[in-house]
Formats: sequence, structure tokens, C-alpha cells
Amino acid sequence: GQNIDQPTEMTATEGAIVQINCTYQTSGFNGLFWYQQHAGEAPTFLSYNVLDGLEEKGRFSSFLSRSKGYSYLLLKELQMKDSASYLCAVRETNAGKSTFGDGTTLTVKP
Amino acid sequence: EAQVTQNPRYLITVTGKKLTVTCSQNMNHEYMSWYRQDPGLGLRQIYYSMNVEVTDKGDVPEGYKVSRKEKRNFPLILESPSPNQTSLYFCASRTRAGQGMYEQYFGPGTRLTVT
Repeated sequence: GQNIDQPTEMTATEGAIVQINCTYQTSGFNGLFWYQQHAGEAPTFLSYNVLDGLEEKGRFSSFLSRSKGYSYLLLKELQMKDSASYLCAVRETNAGKSTFGDGTTLTVKP
Repeated sequence: EAQVTQNPRYLITVTGKKLTVTCSQNMNHEYMSWYRQDPGLGLRQIYYSMNVEVTDKGDVPEGYKVSRKEKRNFPLILESPSPNQTSLYFCASRTRAGQGMYEQYFGPGTRLTVT
């Protein structure tokens, strides 16, 4: 199985940058995903990393270090609508099974 | 419009009364999965299916059944619901049960209350 850790809550100011960390322990690894989930809604895909390094996608970037079992999601130029829960998820080697972290609730303040 | 649909969206039922939550996708995806989400917790995988007639247990399969007779449908069955199955349920699908950036598309969720 997997163990995924991420902070429970974070607060940041509109216009600022915030980094949400995720650490994982796994016997197999087939990619790491970040999803955004607004309260009461379904998760939506943000980013994917399978190789070490940084993937940039507009205001969102995600970094992966497989040797350290570590990823982060970087959100730039924060907007009020970025207030949401951010879920880190690891796809296990058999490609069918996915494990999610408990999510980080981000609150963006004016 | 490409989407994953779930029905019902809200359900209140009593302990022991069998129920089925339907899930359907129109994207011809091979892979489908069911998750439950409880307050303060992330998504926990119940069952997943990598193709028709192929299903496997996730992390929390106890008390649930699934079937995959058609590619587009993946119903979740609770034979004898109990209060600890009160939760928010999400169905998801993606293309290709293999490597690659194949993100999951989630349905809108089904909020189930078992009294």
C-alpha cells in the first residue's frame, strides 16, 4: 500500500505564491497527480509528474523527486477562486490502483 | 459533452436495504473506479475496473460490490448498507489502464446517508 502525507490546512494572501508539499512512501510508483477540489464538488485534474523535475502549467507548477518520495504543488498569483482542497495522489505500479492523500485545504485571503 | 454521470446524487436510506448507485461514462474509457470521501479525509478507493469483466479491490472494499458488464457502466452495490457507509461517493474513469498522463475524470458525487 501507500502512505501519503500533506499538510491539513494552509492560508495565503491573494496575489502571493504558495507551495503545498506532499510526501509518499511506496513500494511501487507509476506517477503522481495533483487534483483540485472545491467544497461539495468533484476533484479536477491539475498536474501529473512521473519523472523528476518541474512541470509548469500556467499559474500552477508541480515538482517531483522520486528518490525523496516528495512532490510539491506551486500556485502563483493566487486568486480567491484558488481557495479549495488540493489532493495529492499516487498511482501504484499496477496502474489500476490509486491512493490519495487527505488533502490540503487552502484558504486565500484578500 | 464528455462526462461521468452518477445517480442518484442524494440518497437517504435505512440499514439493510439494498441499494445501487449507477455510474456511466461516455468517453469510451477502459478504466473506472469508485471512491468514498469522508470529512477530513481524502478519497479512498473502493473498487476499480481495468476493463469489461475485470474488477479488483481497492483499499476499502468491505460491504461493497461492483460489476462491469459494459464498458460505459460501473454500478456500485451495497447489499446491506450500514451507518458507517454514510459518505460521499465518487465514480471516476480514465482512458487506458496503463502508464501515461491519463488523469481521472470524476462524476459529480453521490451523497449517501444510512440511518
